[in-house]
Amino acid sequence: DAKTTQPPSMDCAEGRAANLPCNHSTISGNEYVYWYRQIHSQGPQYIIHGLKNNETNEMASLIITEDRKSSTLILPHATLRDTAVYYCIVSPTNNAGNMLTFGGGTRLMVKP
Amino acid sequence: KAGVTQTPRYLIKTRGQQVTLSCSPISGHRSVSWYQQTPGQGLQFLFEYFSETQRNKGNFPGRFSGRQFSNSRSEMNVSTLELGDSALYLCASSFTGGANYGYTFGSGTRLTVV
Repeated sequence: DAKTTQPPSMDCAEGRAANLPCNHSTISGNEYVYWYRQIHSQGPQYIIHGLKNNETNEMASLIITEDRKSSTLILPHATLRDTAVYYCIVSPTNNAGNMLTFGGGTRLMVKP
Repeated sequence: KAGVTQTPRYLIKTRGQQVTLSCSPISGHRSVSWYQQTPGQGLQFLFEYFSETQRNKGNFPGRFSGRQFSNSRSEMNVSTLELGDSALYLCASSFTGGANYGYTFGSGTRLTVV
């Protein structure tokens, strides 16, 4: 079973920030938080990951609470092309079996 | 650099037949994993190969099998196809299979069993 809980859907206005929450209250000390997204009919795309510090890259920012039980993915200026299903996944750093456990994700709809 | 290439993109098979899907990872990536995606079950892990060895396997029947070649290309095979095997099959490659490097997914093979 997935170790994360996400709202099934969210809307965001184009140009505004999209804040996607994720609860992972049973996260272990050696588990990272990963975010992927899947645009219709394509494979999932890696966005960002973090352990306990906030992270930022060219696509998004990841804010992890101090107790690590929840996180938020921030798309600072959402565009129509950001419409996708966003998956929050927790996985250990030594996950040599390359197994990601996907939950239901959040379907983000960016509207004009 | 080239991404993960999956062939074919679309496939229609008859119940009872068998099918082989192919995945070419990103150059230099040695880990290849496979996932099945259906509307009802979402994305589910099938198995992972690294240096021609299966390191991990999901909860799928023995009809689902795979292998990896010395050039890291991988194939998965489904025998005695059932209607429920209709799905998008995705493969993902990574450098070592460790989650920190991030996994790159292909666009998938959409299999329809009739």
